[in-house]
Amino acid sequence: GQQLNQSPQSMFIQEGEDVSMNCTSSSIFNTWLWYKQDPGEGPVLLIALYKAGELTSNGRLTAQFGITRKDSFLNISASIPSDVGIYFCAGQLRGGSNYKLTFGKGTLLTVNP
Amino acid sequence: NAGVTQTPKFQVLKTGQSMTLQCAQDMNHEYMSWYRQDPGMGLRLIHYSVGAGITDQGEVPNGYNVSRSTTEDFPLRLLSAAPSQTSVYFCASSSGRTSTDTQYFGPGTRLTVL
Repeated sequence: GQQLNQSPQSMFIQEGEDVSMNCTSSSIFNTWLWYKQDPGEGPVLLIALYKAGELTSNGRLTAQFGITRKDSFLNISASIPSDVGIYFCAGQLRGGSNYKLTFGKGTLLTVNP
Repeated sequence: NAGVTQTPKFQVLKTGQSMTLQCAQDMNHEYMSWYRQDPGMGLRLIHYSVGAGITDQGEVPNGYNVSRSTTEDFPLRLLSAAPSQTSVYFCASSSGRTSTDTQYFGPGTRLTVL
């Protein structure tokens, strides 16, 4: 089956620093999604990407859909303590009744104030 | 709208016991799915449904049953719980009607099997 490699597994940064994480896949997707999960909660969608090469921002977050359709990255600028959590990438192949998501293993972000 | 709700929030079972994890959504979404989350493994798809009366297996379906009798509800059944099923379970839904709709997740059920 499809596999996603998400890196890094964890990051420890100082408040105000920028953060970058990425996902690569062994096969193509036509949708890339980035989720954040707070402790004890379900994942919450941050950014959705639907076209190869697409660059999308949501506040301090920016994500890009790789040209090859096999990778995506997420950048967080000027990190703040509430950015702490686990960030997941997810790939999706849309077609017919196929809405299944394949998730990366997550990046645990710690922000030191 | 309450969104996606899951009950119970926590559950402890003994090996061999059965139980049903409940999931409901009030957004009239066609597509619903169940994931399990284990440390270092991300979220893995167990079963999914593209509409009432239609279900299919995901990546890790063994030991779990589902049914979809209504659009709103998608329960997950463990017929004979095993310690390997200790995990956090998330239900998700999406409308499935447009090419840009996304999945919304419930708050999760934390299950421990002794």
